Amino acid sequence: ETGVTQSPTHLIKTRGQQVTLRCSSQSGHNTVSWYQQALGQGPQFIFQYYREEENGRGNFPPRFSGLQFPNYSSELNVNALELDDSALYLCASSFPTGGTEQYFGPGTRLTVT
Amino acid sequence: GQNIDQPTEMTATEGAIVQINCTYQTSGFNGLFWYQQHAGEAPTFLSYNVLDGLEEKGRFSSFLSRSKGYSYLLLKELQMKDSASYLCAVPDQTGANNLFFGTGTRLTVIP
Repeated sequence: ETGVTQSPTHLIKTRGQQVTLRCSSQSGHNTVSWYQQALGQGPQFIFQYYREEENGRGNFPPRFSGLQFPNYSSELNVNALELDDSALYLCASSFPTGGTEQYFGPGTRLTVT
Repeated sequence: GQNIDQPTEMTATEGAIVQINCTYQTSGFNGLFWYQQHAGEAPTFLSYNVLDGLEEKGRFSSFLSRSKGYSYLLLKELQMKDSASYLCAVPDQTGANNLFFGTGTRLTVIP
């Protein structure tokens, strides 16, 4: 069974730039959720993708967007980067049933300068 | 809305027992999760409680009281490797199977 993988591991960008983060879900999981975790905080839900469509969104602006592909992998895109976007971005895969465990990837550490 | 409260930091001695509390407010309760997160790493699943009572898994136990909106994680025979953040979470109200997390409790185990 393959776990959740994310790329890249670390990334440094400049304010105003755009970034794309990638996630491959755990084998058999068809739902991917993205979270942002600022230093010293718990993860905050950005959005979820199920069957290639957005299936719920947290309190994040439209410059945070995503995609899911037929193989259930996913991308998170952030436009017009701001300094406050510096965080650990976590991807989690699961089945779309309330109460089931989410499996997290190792995360991408994004630094915006 | 949803809210989760946990202590920010705790310190305990190797070999001891520590209890990490979590109080929550949420509509349509659908279970409570505990995750462990070592610094710079992904959260890993510890437990899921949907019914009242205590569930034990080796050195870790989790308790839930739905009427009180309260849970705790009990760690026994503490080891140095238990130094980590412990995150309490409930299913988010924005969609299926997303999680709303507390800020986490950073536990430091000292010799």
